[in-house]
Amino acid sequence: TQLLEQSPQFLSIQEGENLTVYCNSSSVFSSLQWYRQEPGEGPVLLVTVVTGGEVKKLKRLTFQFGDARKDSSLHITAAQPGDTGLYLCAGEDTNAGKSTFGDGTTLTVKP
Amino acid sequence: DAGVIQSPRHEVTEMGQEVTLRCKPISGHDYLFWYRQTMMRGLELLIYFNNNVPIDDSGMPEDRFSAKMPNASFSTLKIQPSEPRDSAVYFCASSSDGGTGELFFGEGSRLTVL
Repeated sequence: TQLLEQSPQFLSIQEGENLTVYCNSSSVFSSLQWYRQEPGEGPVLLVTVVTGGEVKKLKRLTFQFGDARKDSSLHITAAQPGDTGLYLCAGEDTNAGKSTFGDGTTLTVKP
Repeated sequence: DAGVIQSPRHEVTEMGQEVTLRCKPISGHDYLFWYRQTMMRGLELLIYFNNNVPIDDSGMPEDRFSAKMPNASFSTLKIQPSEPRDSAVYFCASSSDGGTGELFFGEGSRLTVL
C-alpha cells in the first residue's frame, strides 16, 4: 500500500494570509489529486496533476507536483474564510487501480 | 443532474443491531466506491465495484461488513452486528474513470453505534 502523509495536520490563520500545505510519499504516483471537504459534505475534486514538475493554478490556489512525482504542495494566496475545510490529497496507485488518500489538512481561516 | 445520493444521512443505533446504508451513483458511472471516514484513520476505501461486480474488498474490516450492488443504480453497505467502533461517516462515491479518475462523493451517512 502506498502511503501519503499530509502536513500540517491542522492550520489556523487569519484572513488575507498565505499558506502552503504538503503531501508527501516515498512512492511514485502516476497522478495526484487534491480534494476539499467542507463540514457535512463529501470531498470535491479541486485539481489533478499528472506530470512531474507540473504547476496548476486555480484562482488563488496553486498546485505543484514534485519532479519525482512523490510529493505535491498546495499554496493558497490571501486566504479567505470560504477556504476553510479539509484538504485531502489522493495518489493514483497504478498497481491496485485505485487511489490512496492522505489524512488531510484541516484549514481554518478566521475573518 | 443529481449527484451521488446516500441514505440515511444520520443513523443512531444500538450495538448488535443491523445497519444498512444505501447509495445511488451518478447515472452512467460504472465504478462505485464505499469509503469510511474517522478522525483516527482518515478516509479509508472499503470496497469498490466495476459494472456491479466487486473488484477489491480488501478494505472491508471483517465479516460483519458486506456490500452489494444488484444493479447499476443501487448499492448497499450492511453491518451486522454493529459495534461502537463502527461509528464513522460512510461515503459512497462514483466515477466514470475508474479508481484513479475523479471521484464524485455523496454527502455521507453518519453512523453512531451506542
